[in-house]
Amino acid sequence: DAKTTQPPSMDCAEGRAANLPCNHSTISGNEYVYWYRQIHSQGPQYIIHGLKNNETNEMASLIITEDRKSSTLILPHATLRDTAVYYCIVRVAGNYGGSQGNLIFGKGTKLSVKP
Amino acid sequence: DTGVSQDPRHKITKRGQNVTFRCDPISEHNRLYWYRQTLGQGPEFLTYFQNEAQLEKSRLLSDRFSAERPKGSFSTLEIQRTEQGDSAMYLCASSDGLAGGEQYFGPGTRLTVT
Repeated sequence: DAKTTQPPSMDCAEGRAANLPCNHSTISGNEYVYWYRQIHSQGPQYIIHGLKNNETNEMASLIITEDRKSSTLILPHATLRDTAVYYCIVRVAGNYGGSQGNLIFGKGTKLSVKP
Repeated sequence: DTGVSQDPRHKITKRGQNVTFRCDPISEHNRLYWYRQTLGQGPEFLTYFQNEAQLEKSRLLSDRFSAERPKGSFSTLEIQRTEQGDSAMYLCASSDGLAGGEQYFGPGTRLTVT
């Protein structure tokens, strides 16, 4: 899987949008961008994923650049409960065999939402 | 909603003892994963199953570690002759292996080896 680069930490004011960047310059054509987050002492939580089009769900929006070398996760109205480590991961999606099952986590971005 | 569950949530053991952890995945999920997470690091992949077949093992999974999923439902991870370096959070995740393939994680088992 391609590697990703994320800033180690970010702050955001409560109620404001949190924009978390991720670089994945070596992403392959069949690799998706996934975002997970991990709140302290809990297991990681899936947020969103996409291939090349922008995606939105009830939790967040994912903006992928046209060249797919970077993306941004947007939490539109951050709350204190969004304080967590956010991981950007690229991998093949779908029903596959072989060794493409696991997620490769980096260190992520620690987002601190402040009142 | 019965998500992924893990038992126990915390385990303290003395060096040299054997420990076993259990994971119950989401019932319709055929894929089950084990990860290990040490302080300040992201989770690291250990092994995964599709149904009862163990399809991949990481180099992190030394011969003291063994995982099973005998009936394709719950899974166990056993560590024999524990060492202090085994202290970590052990996470289990499951997925349906279909398009999207997002993994759903359990709360983890925190192991402390004294």
